[in-house]
Amino acid sequence: EAGVAQSPRYKIIEKRQSVAFWCNPISGHATLYWYQQILGQGPKLLIQFQNNGVVDDSQLPKDRFSAERLKGVDSTLKIQPAKLEDSAVYLCASSLAAEQETQYFGPGTRLLVL
Amino acid sequence: GQNIDQPTEMTATEGAIVQINCTYQTSGFNGLFWYQQHAGEAPTFLSYNVLDGLEEKGRFSSFLSRSKGYSYLLLKELQMKDSASYLCAVSRWGKLQFGAGTQVVVTP
Repeated sequence: EAGVAQSPRYKIIEKRQSVAFWCNPISGHATLYWYQQILGQGPKLLIQFQNNGVVDDSQLPKDRFSAERLKGVDSTLKIQPAKLEDSAVYLCASSLAAEQETQYFGPGTRLLVL
Repeated sequence: GQNIDQPTEMTATEGAIVQINCTYQTSGFNGLFWYQQHAGEAPTFLSYNVLDGLEEKGRFSSFLSRSKGYSYLLLKELQMKDSASYLCAVSRWGKLQFGAGTQVVVTP
């Protein structure tokens, strides 16, 4: 069974530029999550989708971050404009359903903002 | 994250046993996950506890006490490849909240 796919794996941009990350969850997984992991910290949930609907985006900085999952499968996360403090690993995870279901993580996108 | 506390780093010798403790606030608690994360890689699922007691899975075991807000991950017969960060994550109201992780260093 293929795992969660993410691209790109690495991205370097300058502050105030925009960037987009892509995620393809495990086939059949209804719930998709985007996390931000800053060096030395645990992952922090940014947004959770159930199929193509947003379940929780309370920790998403909506002035600069946006995410969509239009067809309930792939998802994109965008940052515009980027700030230095956005340098982190952006992890995508998926699960069969929400609540108590094991989440499976993709390899992440490592973002460096200069 | 939401008062999930685990030690920052632990060092142990190859072949030894290490116990990683995790304490958390009990409000809204549904269950507790342990993930392993090697440097530069994604977290991988190790265990999930929802009831009190010990769950054993090969060299790794995980324990939960719901009333005390306490869990531990036990790594036995340590191998060099076990050097990684171990993340405690609490499932609360349908969401996972992660601790900062415990970096385990296995020495020869």
